[in-house]
Amino acid sequence: QQPVQSPQAVILREGEDAVINCSSSKALYSVHWYRQKHGEAPVFLMILLKGGEQMRHEKISASFNEKKQQSSLYLTASQLSYSGTYFCGTEMEAGGTSYGKLTFGQGTILTVHP
Amino acid sequence: GAGVSQSPSNKVTEKGKDVELRCDPISGHTALYWYRQSLGQGLEFLIYFQGNSAPDKSGLPSDRFSAERTGGSVSTLTIQRTQQEDSAVYLCASSLRPQQKNTEAFFGQGTRLTVV
Repeated sequence: QQPVQSPQAVILREGEDAVINCSSSKALYSVHWYRQKHGEAPVFLMILLKGGEQMRHEKISASFNEKKQQSSLYLTASQLSYSGTYFCGTEMEAGGTSYGKLTFGQGTILTVHP
Repeated sequence: GAGVSQSPSNKVTEKGKDVELRCDPISGHTALYWYRQSLGQGLEFLIYFQGNSAPDKSGLPSDRFSAERTGGSVSTLTIQRTQQEDSAVYLCASSLRPQQKNTEAFFGQGTRLTVV
C-alpha cells in the first residue's frame, strides 16, 4: 500500500524551515528518503530503521515514529539547492529479511525562493 | 561504472511496437530494481533481481512486460506491443543488498518512453 505524503507542495524563502511527513497503514521495517530534481535521478538522503535513531545529514534530519508508522523529514534553514521533489520509500520486512523493495509516496514538491 | 547507467535516455515508439530498455548497475551490486514513474507520480515498483534471478515480479503490470538479467550485471526490460499508457520514465536502481543490510539503492537517470 502506497504511503501518504503531506503536504503535496511547499514554497519557502531561503532560510526557512519545512517538515514533510510520510504515513503508512502497514507496519514498516524502514523508511528511505530521496530527493529528485527535474529530469534527474532520485538522490538518496537517508534511511530510518525500525528501532533506529533519528538520522541527520547536514541541515536535513528525519525521524521515524514506529507507533504511528510515520516518518518526518525536517529541512532546516533551507537553501536554494533544496528545491526538488521529495519522496519517501517504505520497506516492509519479508519473513525476517528485507531486500530493498520500496513503495514510494506520491512526492512533495519543495520550492525555495531567494 | 561510477553510477547506474540506463539507455536510451529517451525513446519514442509507435503504438504496437516492442521496446527494450537497458540498465547497467553499479559494479558489484547484486540487487537490481526496475521502477516506473508516470508524469507527476511517485515511483511504482516493477521487478527485483538478485543476481540473475527475479524473486519478485509482482509489479509487472501485464504479460507484455518482461525483464531479464545476465551475468549478474546488465538488465533489459522489454515491453511488447506498447500502449499509450506505457508512456512513463522507467528507472533502474541497484544496491549491495543483501550483503550489506539496510543499505540504500542508487538510481539511474531513467529512460523516458513515449508511445505515440
